[in-house]
Amino acid sequence: KQEVTQIPAALSVPEGENLVLNCSFTDSAIYNLQWFRQDPGKGLTSLLLIQSSQREQTSGRLNASLDKSSGRSTLYIAASQPGDSATYLCAVERSGAGSYQLTFGKGTKLSVIP
Amino acid sequence: NAGVTQTPKFRVLKTGQSMTLLCAQDMNHEYMYWYRQDPGMGLRLIHYSVGEGTTAKGEVPDGYNVSRLKKQNFLLGLESAAPSQTSVYFCASISQGLKGYTFGSGTRLTVV
Repeated sequence: KQEVTQIPAALSVPEGENLVLNCSFTDSAIYNLQWFRQDPGKGLTSLLLIQSSQREQTSGRLNASLDKSSGRSTLYIAASQPGDSATYLCAVERSGAGSYQLTFGKGTKLSVIP
Repeated sequence: NAGVTQTPKFRVLKTGQSMTLLCAQDMNHEYMYWYRQDPGMGLRLIHYSVGEGTTAKGEVPDGYNVSRLKKQNFLLGLESAAPSQTSVYFCASISQGLKGYTFGSGTRLTVV
């Protein structure tokens, strides 16, 4: 059974800092990996998707990397802003399942202090 | 706006009552999913559908039923609600060949 772990569970940083969120998964046979953002009381917003054949994806100040062999992904946020405060979720999609099911980590709650 | 719409947004049920949560998407997506989110547990898959008229069980299907009579709608039913079903329910959809999920804004359900 696929298990996804996110470390740390919570992180507080001053505005302007660069930061890294970590995600690890137990089964390397994944189809892709996605990072989501969730604001309090809201739904999930897709940030970045990395296909299993890719090593990284970038969008603005966000960069996500994927190392399938070691079962790890990182989300790098450059020059953090208070508006980045949210919970960040990592999810992996099973390979070969044919139904695009996601297994989620429990998230990292990020607070960016002005 | 295109996307996934969930109704209702909030609901309080008494133990033993029944209700149906509706998920509607206007993106012509083939695949639809129901997840529940609980503190300390993350999101877990309840049921999913790979196309109109099909449904399948996910990780935590007990106590729930689903139907996909129309491609754009995916219904989640609770026949006899229990306090353990207090949770936030999210619907999501994805199109075959495209990447990335679209999630609804959630339904917060409390069973007392």
